Amino acid sequence: DTGVSQDPRHKITKRGQNVTFRCDPISEHNRLYWYRQTLGQGPEFLTYFQNEAQLEKSRLLSDRFSAERPKGSFSTLEIQRTEQGDSAMYLCASSLDSRNTIYFGEGSWLTVV
Amino acid sequence: AQTVTQSQPEMSVQEAETVTLSCTYDTSESDYYLFWYKQPPSRQMILVIRQEAYKQQNATENRFSVNFQKAAKSFSLKISDSQLGDAAMYFCAYRSRGGNTPLVFGKGTRLSVIA
Repeated sequence: DTGVSQDPRHKITKRGQNVTFRCDPISEHNRLYWYRQTLGQGPEFLTYFQNEAQLEKSRLLSDRFSAERPKGSFSTLEIQRTEQGDSAMYLCASSLDSRNTIYFGEGSWLTVV
Repeated sequence: AQTVTQSQPEMSVQEAETVTLSCTYDTSESDYYLFWYKQPPSRQMILVIRQEAYKQQNATENRFSVNFQKAAKSFSLKISDSQLGDAAMYFCAYRSRGGNTPLVFGKGTRLSVIA
């Protein structure tokens, strides 16, 4: 069990550029979640997958955000035309199923300048 | 929608002493899970303790215990014999047992441990 891994850990990008984050969940975990956390706040839910199906999306997930989980393994979160307000830590998490503990990765910090 | 409130933005405790972090939540559901997560500076969030609402007995994990008051919708975390490594942000979180809802977090309490 290697834990949830996220890449890159830090990303600085210019406003208007696209960025993509990758998450590798704990193997055999069929649920994968994306959260966003800003300084001084708790994580806010963005979206989640069960296997390859994206089952729920928060209203926070504007049309500039897209998430995929091809083949039900790793997931990517892409942000197009980044804005300064997108600066945050993007957390990925996974769980075995809906009843089990959710485990978090270390997060990917995004700074939009 | 469920909400989680942590009314203490910051707390401090002397090493070896006991501290209690508060959490209240709002829900119309009767079956759910409650969690405390710890997030050290620049490190990943880890689960401290979990409580299932249908269980009346308060959960305990070593030096960590909870006081779960279902009627009052209160879920506090007690840390005994505080250690320097306990310094972190602590988040209270709620999750429906139904399974298709994500974790809902409070805003967190920053705990400092004074040597």
